[in-house]
Amino acid sequence: DSGVTQTPKHLITATGQRVTLRCSPRSGDLSVYWYQQSLDQGLQFLIQYYNGEERAKGNILERFSAQQFPDLHSELNLSSLELGDSALYFCASSVDSRNNEQFFGPGTRLTVL
Amino acid sequence: AQKVTQAQTEISVVEKEDVTLDCVYETRDTTYYLFWYKQPPSGELVFLIRRNSFDEQNEISGRYSWNFQKSTSSFNFTITASQVVDSAVYFCALSSFGGTSYGKLTFGQGTILTVHP
Repeated sequence: DSGVTQTPKHLITATGQRVTLRCSPRSGDLSVYWYQQSLDQGLQFLIQYYNGEERAKGNILERFSAQQFPDLHSELNLSSLELGDSALYFCASSVDSRNNEQFFGPGTRLTVL
Repeated sequence: AQKVTQAQTEISVVEKEDVTLDCVYETRDTTYYLFWYKQPPSGELVFLIRRNSFDEQNEISGRYSWNFQKSTSSFNFTITASQVVDSAVYFCALSSFGGTSYGKLTFGQGTILTVHP
């Protein structure tokens, strides 16, 4: 158990819908990262937050957004969902934004029908 | 741009065999970290090791060992006396400092390791 929690574990929804994925980092970790794992693209970095502020952005679609709250938990919002958004979404956390020893949560498996 | 290449898509071995997973990386940064993660069938990503670019010492942890060679931009992972529980997908990853690379992990495509009894 990495200490990073993600909810829900599985999510099945329809095209055009909007979903929110939630992540709680390990105790003491200030930085949260979101990654997407799909068969086509492999593991791709989406976005990073550090202590509530966006720190780095990767291949994140405009339909996707994220935020980190004062209690350090983070949410990833996916809207206007398409079939191709079906993937495993991981959250990871680390002590700071440079340390980079990232510990991953169990992931949320999103299926868009 | 950063890139990580794991040339072996799949490896199949019999228990107790040694197996080496190759990883080659590309980066223009002089300071960077290299990682290995394991993804067992259950799906979670398990951190195995982090190595910084200044430290080329090889590392051993039980049956696992890592060989970092800056001259060839490689960070290979060897499992000695493999076991069925080692069956998983293994990812090599790279992280640099500075610019838009700051903080993110760039992953290879992964190597599927199957250890047969």
